[in-house]
Amino acid sequence: DVKVTQSSRYLVKRTGEKVFLECVQDMDHENMFWYRQDPGLGLRLIYFSYDVKMKEKGDIPEGYSVSREKKERFSLILESASTNQTSMYLCASSFYRSDNQPQHFGDGTRLSIL
Amino acid sequence: KQEVTQIPAALSVPEGENLVLNCSFTDSAIYNLQWFRQDPGKGLTSLLLIQSSQREQTSGRLNASLDKSSGRSTLYIAASQPGDSATYLCAVGLDDYKLSFGAGTTVTVRA
Repeated sequence: DVKVTQSSRYLVKRTGEKVFLECVQDMDHENMFWYRQDPGLGLRLIYFSYDVKMKEKGDIPEGYSVSREKKERFSLILESASTNQTSMYLCASSFYRSDNQPQHFGDGTRLSIL
Repeated sequence: KQEVTQIPAALSVPEGENLVLNCSFTDSAIYNLQWFRQDPGKGLTSLLLIQSSQREQTSGRLNASLDKSSGRSTLYIAASQPGDSATYLCAVGLDDYKLSFGAGTTVTVRA
């Protein structure tokens, strides 16, 4: 089974802090994704990566950056955390260029910024 | 811009009843369509994926249909059980990477 592991289930940080969310997948997937999920707004794509050191902006990249130094690991960085970044963050991965392969999700990190 | 709508937002049925969940989308030029399940406080679990060229997919008690021309997909869950209680999300594949998600239908199956 595909395993996407997010480093923390719950995280509490303070405004202005630099926050790192880590995600690791074990299926040699080329694509990796970061989403945030908010009540009433659904899932929104922050950033994705289709290869090591490659990244593309999603729909809501402002205030975030990402890093992909190894194929299996994709990090989301909140450069200076703000209260409006309190949310559920979900990481996903999938094979490259395949219309019959679903995205596989981690269990999420519930991040609170105080 | 692709808009994905799921109606109703919530559904409550007695155990044993068949479930019918609806998903509609505005642009028929889709890459694929995926159905996910989400339990409270958890991530998404992939249930079924229908490629653009397909009309339906089946897995156990689950069957999903796709009608691109009318911009609709339906997820059927036969003989519902309390363990089927969850939020079901529909997502339209836009290209090799991006998905556009619906807001989900929250299902409660009463024992």
